[in-house]
Amino acid sequence: GDSVTQMEGPVTLSEEAFLTINCTYTATGYPSLFWYVQYPGEGLQLLLKATKADDKGSNKGFEATYRKETTSFHLEKGSVQVSDSAVYFCALSDPGSNTNAGKSTFGDGTTLTVKP
Amino acid sequence: GAVVSQHPSRVICKSGTSVKIECRSLDFQATTMFWYRQFPKKSLMLMATSNEGSKATYEQGVEKDKFLINHASLTLSTLTVTSAHPEDSSFYICSARDFRGYGANVLTFGAGSRLTVL
Repeated sequence: GDSVTQMEGPVTLSEEAFLTINCTYTATGYPSLFWYVQYPGEGLQLLLKATKADDKGSNKGFEATYRKETTSFHLEKGSVQVSDSAVYFCALSDPGSNTNAGKSTFGDGTTLTVKP
Repeated sequence: GAVVSQHPSRVICKSGTSVKIECRSLDFQATTMFWYRQFPKKSLMLMATSNEGSKATYEQGVEKDKFLINHASLTLSTLTVTSAHPEDSSFYICSARDFRGYGANVLTFGAGSRLTVL
């Protein structure tokens, strides 16, 4: 079945540091890939997405490129801010999967703390 | 864009009582909604898929009689935690998929409901 493996956290960085959170996946079809962000006490918000190989999703300075050859979708940001402190979830949606029924598969989440 | 509203955001109840959480799609119709449970510092656990006009589909290990799901309209799904106990305390999150246009593959999440059972 489909699965998403995320870099284990927590990750602690100083402000303006470079961020990478690794994400790899397995899927039976041609999935769309997503990064969601969850701020403390809140639900999840879509951060960025990519729907096909070599697509780059970007938003708020974050980027991730859909790499089919390495089945990866690593999240990067060149200069993090304190306000980026949150939990980040990598996810996939595989419309080709017979068992999908509209579900998405999530990674375990990576907690990022940015210190001033 | 698509908006999902979840209510209440926080609820505290006594052990043995039942609690209802609502999930509404505000500007789109959702024939399917999803209910998740999130433990502290853990990922989302999909509990069930809520289907408008039919029975919910529960994930393995989720008690159907404990977590009652009703999806009576195209914009509303409810999760009722029956005879709640302290171990049911958790953060419950719903989501829905807006099939309009390019965003069809994207899940929109509610803000979550923090349940505390005393």
